Amino acid sequence: GAVVSQHPSWVICKSGTSVKIECRSLDFQATTMFWYRQFPKQSLMLMATSNEGSKATYEQGVEKDKFLINHASLTLSTLTVTSAHPEDSSFYICSARAGLSSYNSPLHFGNGTRLTVT
Amino acid sequence: AQSVTQLGSHVSVSEGALVLLRCNYSSSVPPYLFWYVQYPNQGLQLLLKYTSAATLVKGINGFEAEFKKSETSFHLTKPSAHMSDAAEYFCAVILNSGNTPLVFGKGTRLSVIA
Repeated sequence: GAVVSQHPSWVICKSGTSVKIECRSLDFQATTMFWYRQFPKQSLMLMATSNEGSKATYEQGVEKDKFLINHASLTLSTLTVTSAHPEDSSFYICSARAGLSSYNSPLHFGNGTRLTVT
Repeated sequence: AQSVTQLGSHVSVSEGALVLLRCNYSSSVPPYLFWYVQYPNQGLQLLLKYTSAATLVKGINGFEAEFKKSETSFHLTKPSAHMSDAAEYFCAVILNSGNTPLVFGKGTRLSVIA
């Protein structure tokens, strides 16, 4: 089946540093990737929609200058948390849409990245 | 905008008992509906989905869900709970139009008591 690889699975960084999270579709092309954030014991909240070759669309309240998203190829999207602070500590999950950019196309999830900012 | 509401943030059942996790949706048009399971510090695994075909949907691990338009519900059931079913369960909806993302409910934590 379709596989989405998310790396790293966990990362600890110091406050003020930047962290890059990669989301790769291993056996399919993903024109659209979605980035979610999940606080402990809470649901997944959509942060942004990433379309290959164009600027990401951010949800209301998500700082685009803090959460930089790049989707330079059909198999890779990256989320960079810039100048991380402890409140950015969370579980970040990507989701990649296989095939056409349509609700009909299946979505596949990465295994998530646990970010801890000290 | 479409949304889902999961009733009960925590459900506890005995091993072998019926599992019932509730989900109600709100959408101006018939949506596609999903149930996902998440184990601690892991990603999401799709249990089943409704995409306007059969209203009773069977998924993996013995789970099933029934789409009831009159009740705007998509409750998840399993006849007999196993210890391995203990996890977080999310109901999700997608608008069947355009390139839209999944919108998740708040989740229900299922505990299974031996």
